[in-house]
Amino acid sequence: AQTVTQSQPEMSVQEAETVTLSCTYDTSESDYYLFWYKQPPSRQMILVIRQEAYKQQNATENRFSVNFQKAAKSFSLKISDSQLGDAAMYFCAYRSRGKYSGGGADGLTFGKGTHLIIQP
Amino acid sequence: NAGVMQNPRHLVRRRGQEARLRCSPMKGHSHVYWYRQLPEEGLKFMVYLQKENIIDESGMPKERFSAEFPKEGPSILRIQQVVRGDSAAYFCASSPLKTSSYNEQFFGPGTRLTVL
Repeated sequence: AQTVTQSQPEMSVQEAETVTLSCTYDTSESDYYLFWYKQPPSRQMILVIRQEAYKQQNATENRFSVNFQKAAKSFSLKISDSQLGDAAMYFCAYRSRGKYSGGGADGLTFGKGTHLIIQP
Repeated sequence: NAGVMQNPRHLVRRRGQEARLRCSPMKGHSHVYWYRQLPEEGLKFMVYLQKENIIDESGMPKERFSAEFPKEGPSILRIQQVVRGDSAAYFCASSPLKTSSYNEQFFGPGTRLTVL
């Protein structure tokens, strides 16, 4: 079974600064997907960024980028120019490549989350 | 296109009662996933359903929990004889038929279940 570990229960950063959230995972599979989700106080899960394991190029979405190190099984999230609206819980998640007929896919495996605090 | 809808948003039950949580997937989505989030924890996968079929229930507790996704109507997560340990936020996610390799899951707002 796959596991996802987020070793930072809480991180704090000054507004406009850069912060990196860590995530490691354990799997025996070679093809999979990795995700970062944001959960603000409303508890709505919002997809921030995603990465396919077979792609060497790190994904970027505006101020959000990842550092994907497949051999080390590491998938960190970098948030540049932090904004007050970035304050939330951030969850790293793993998903196997789809294996079911009909196009479906496994459920996501989540880490325990990192609480990101933005200091004004 | 409305997002994934869950109701009720908040549900209070006394020990021993039944809880029914509903999830309406996004229009055109035929895959539904249920997750549970205990306090201070990440989401834990419970069950994956397609219309009228349970595909993967490896995360479901063996007793008291059941799920269905009928041909018509929402998906239902049913918890019989609730106990205090069932208090959690329950999230539903849906995804479309395979149109891309990501099969992105879109999450609903969750139902917070409180067992007194």
